Amino acid sequence: DADVTQTPRNRITKTGKRIMLECSQTKGHDRMYWYRQDPGLGLRLIYYSFDVKDINKGEISDGYSVSRQAQAKFSLSLESAIPNQTALYFCATSGGQGARETQYFGPGTRLLVL
Amino acid sequence: QQQVKQSPQSLIVQKGGISIINCAYENTAFDYFPWYQQFPGKGPALLIAIRPDVSEKKEGRFTISFNKSAKQFSLHIMDSQPGDSATYFCAANGDSSYKLIFGSGTRLLVRP
Repeated sequence: DADVTQTPRNRITKTGKRIMLECSQTKGHDRMYWYRQDPGLGLRLIYYSFDVKDINKGEISDGYSVSRQAQAKFSLSLESAIPNQTALYFCATSGGQGARETQYFGPGTRLLVL
Repeated sequence: QQQVKQSPQSLIVQKGGISIINCAYENTAFDYFPWYQQFPGKGPALLIAIRPDVSEKKEGRFTISFNKSAKQFSLHIMDSQPGDSATYFCAANGDSSYKLIFGSGTRLLVRP
């Protein structure tokens, strides 16, 4: 979905390096999410933010940190990358009324940690 | 802790056949059950969703069946087409939470 963009799309890094994955959205949504996808494990929530001043840990936040720079921008950082953080990372947004709102996903960032 | 269990992990169906993917949940507070479809190289996108006040919802060739007493729901794809080949995720949320709990995904291949 072009309304949610992620950079970079692919990244190779080495163990111990700090990297940042960026997400931008033009949908005007308040809520943003970071997930990682691993084969057989589905989509697991890393962090989520319901507005600029609200940051919450998800299911698997250890080893990750986030920054909500603006309503439209939500970045995910790996402070010291390790090989088991090799995965496909997705940013998503949602907005509107009620808990049954649709989440809109970006195209993903494929990360390889050597 | 996996709160939504999805099966099978992979599925191969002939063109024109019926694809069936099953999910089971544990949390009785869940009250919204969407299915997301993901094509290779793309992010997941909402396909169809159901609330527990109905037992079935149909949109074109896609149908969700819901069994509240068994805490199970399933996606049926009728007349499956090669273009339906994708990964499918069931999900759930409730308690007025915006967070979705996803199943582990099913990789569907529809052979021509």
